Amino acid sequence: AQKVTQTQTSISVMEKTTVTMDCVYETQDSSYFLFWYKQTASGEIVFLIRQDSYKKENATVGHYSLNFQKPKSSIGLIITATQIEDSAVYFCAMREASSGSWQLIFGSGTQLTVMP
Amino acid sequence: DPKIIQKPKYLVAVTGSEKILICEQYLGHNAMYWYRQSAKKPLEFMFSYSYQKLMDNQTASSRFQPQSSKKNHLDLQITALKPDDSATYFCASSQDRVYAEQFFGPGTRLTVL
Repeated sequence: AQKVTQTQTSISVMEKTTVTMDCVYETQDSSYFLFWYKQTASGEIVFLIRQDSYKKENATVGHYSLNFQKPKSSIGLIITATQIEDSAVYFCAMREASSGSWQLIFGSGTQLTVMP
Repeated sequence: DPKIIQKPKYLVAVTGSEKILICEQYLGHNAMYWYRQSAKKPLEFMFSYSYQKLMDNQTASSRFQPQSSKKNHLDLQITALKPDDSATYFCASSQDRVYAEQFFGPGTRLTVL
């Protein structure tokens, strides 16, 4: 069965620092796709970045990057030069390629607070 | 302009009633989805549609019925509402590819009294 786990409930950091949020996943599929989303205080859910399981290179988009450790079934999100507006809940999600299911399986989320 | 529209933004209903949640997307996507988020659980997948056909249903209850009148519409009808149905319902869409990221609408917050 597929499962996504985010153990960090909340993290607080100072503005302009770097933060890493953890995510581990379980899947029997050899091919899968991992995504990070953020949910703002207004409730809006925004897609940030993705990692395809067959790619060895870590994905990077703007000040977001991923630390993909396939042997550990881990996909960490790294935010560099954090800004106040990065304060949000961050969700990790997974979709299996061959299960036939179209669903994203989400973790429980990590609340990030960026302080001035 | 918003790319995914959900109506209404807030909805209050009484137990036993029926409501329809509206979703329209203007991203040119062929696949659409419904998810639910409640205080007790993380984002939970409900349905997926591709080219107006049901592809996946993870909702145990038949009280939840998706309806697709057009390729870019996917409404959600909920009958015999219960207080436990109180949640925010998000519509999402994506390209019709297994690797495609999904984009979410602003949500409809449903409260059942």
